[in-house]
Amino acid sequence: AQSVAQPEDQVNVAEGNPLTVKCTYSVSGNPYLFWYVQYPNRGLQFLLKYITGDNLVKGSYGFEAEFNKSQTSFHLKKPSALVSDSALYFCAVRDGDTGGFKTIFGAGTRLFVKA
Amino acid sequence: DADVTQTPRNRITKTGKRIMLECSQTKGHDRMYWYRQDPGLGLRLIYYSFDVKDINKGEISDGYSVSRQAQAKFSLSLESAIPNQTALYFCATGDTRFTDTQYFGPGTRLTVL
Repeated sequence: AQSVAQPEDQVNVAEGNPLTVKCTYSVSGNPYLFWYVQYPNRGLQFLLKYITGDNLVKGSYGFEAEFNKSQTSFHLKKPSALVSDSALYFCAVRDGDTGGFKTIFGAGTRLFVKA
Repeated sequence: DADVTQTPRNRITKTGKRIMLECSQTKGHDRMYWYRQDPGLGLRLIYYSFDVKDINKGEISDGYSVSRQAQAKFSLSLESAIPNQTALYFCATGDTRFTDTQYFGPGTRLTVL
């Protein structure tokens, strides 16, 4: 069965500092991994995804994520946080081998960036 | 214009009432989804549709029904609303069969009194 865990309900970081939002996953086949962001009163927006290839994936707004197969992790990172990055972040996983429908979302991590 | 739209954006209703939430998309995707979001629970899948003739239950379909009127339209109904259906509801489309990057509407905040 697929699952995804975001171990931190909330992450606090000062503006200009690097940020990391953690995600670990479990799938039986090859993982397709996604990060989405939700701003207040908005739907989720796609940030980036890992399907295959380079373990470091770059996405929108300066975010990147590193796929680590041995640790089954896909942590979201940004070298220098902005106050405008404050939002709710969701990690999601899909089993790439089944070709089916099911994308599982984590519970979300709220990021606060303080000026 | 937004690629995925939802109406209404907010709705307050009473227990036992029938409610329909509507979703339209201009992305041309065959796949469409309905999720509900509850604090601390993330997104849970209610129903999904791979095309007009293919509709499937998700993990929490009890108390809900859907209709796929066209490739671009996917409606969610609560036949007899109850208070624990109070939540934020999202419609989404999926781009391809194998990567399924999803594109979300702005959400409908439903309150059942």
